Amino acid sequence: AQRVTQPEKLLSVFKGAPVELKCNYSYSGSPELFWYVQYSRQRLQLLLRHISRESIKGFTADLNKGETSFHLKKPFAQEEDSAMYYCAPAGGSARQLTFGSGTQLTVLP
Amino acid sequence: DVKVTQSSRYLVKRTGEKVFLECVQDMDHENMFWYRQDPGLGLRLIYFSYDVKMKEKGDIPEGYSVSREKKERFSLILESASTNQTSMYLCASSRPRDTDTQYFGPGTRLTVL
Repeated sequence: AQRVTQPEKLLSVFKGAPVELKCNYSYSGSPELFWYVQYSRQRLQLLLRHISRESIKGFTADLNKGETSFHLKKPFAQEEDSAMYYCAPAGGSARQLTFGSGTQLTVLP
Repeated sequence: DVKVTQSSRYLVKRTGEKVFLECVQDMDHENMFWYRQDPGLGLRLIYFSYDVKMKEKGDIPEGYSVSREKKERFSLILESASTNQTSMYLCASSRPRDTDTQYFGPGTRLTVL
């Protein structure tokens, strides 16, 4: 069965500190992986996808197939990064997303 | 600009009532999805549809049904609402070959008393 684990429900860091949000997955085949983000009072939206290998808002995520992990990282956190973050592999008959339970990131001033 | 709208932001219903949640997208997307979002559980897929009149069960379809009569509209139906269906419901849509890039609506906070 497909499973996505985000071990930290809550994560707090100080502004300017590095931040890492963990994601581990158990998935058949080779899924594509995504991070979605929901800022306060805003809609859930795509942050980045692993296949693009891009940096969005200073965030990067590396797919480690050996460890089946897709951790989200940012070297210097900003207060505006405070949000709920969801890791989501895509797979299945319609390539639908399976969301993790989410990590609420708070960046303290 | 991508637009997914949901009929209500907040809804309060009584146990046993039939509840309709409506979602409309104006992007001509084939794929549409319904999720529920609960603290500590993340988003769980209830149903999705990849074409008009087509539907597939997601991970937690029990107690729900859906209707897709028009491409732009995807309805979630709670035949007989129960208190454990109190939740935030999110609708999303995507292009046919880009299922993973989903565009979300603002959500409907449903409370069943």
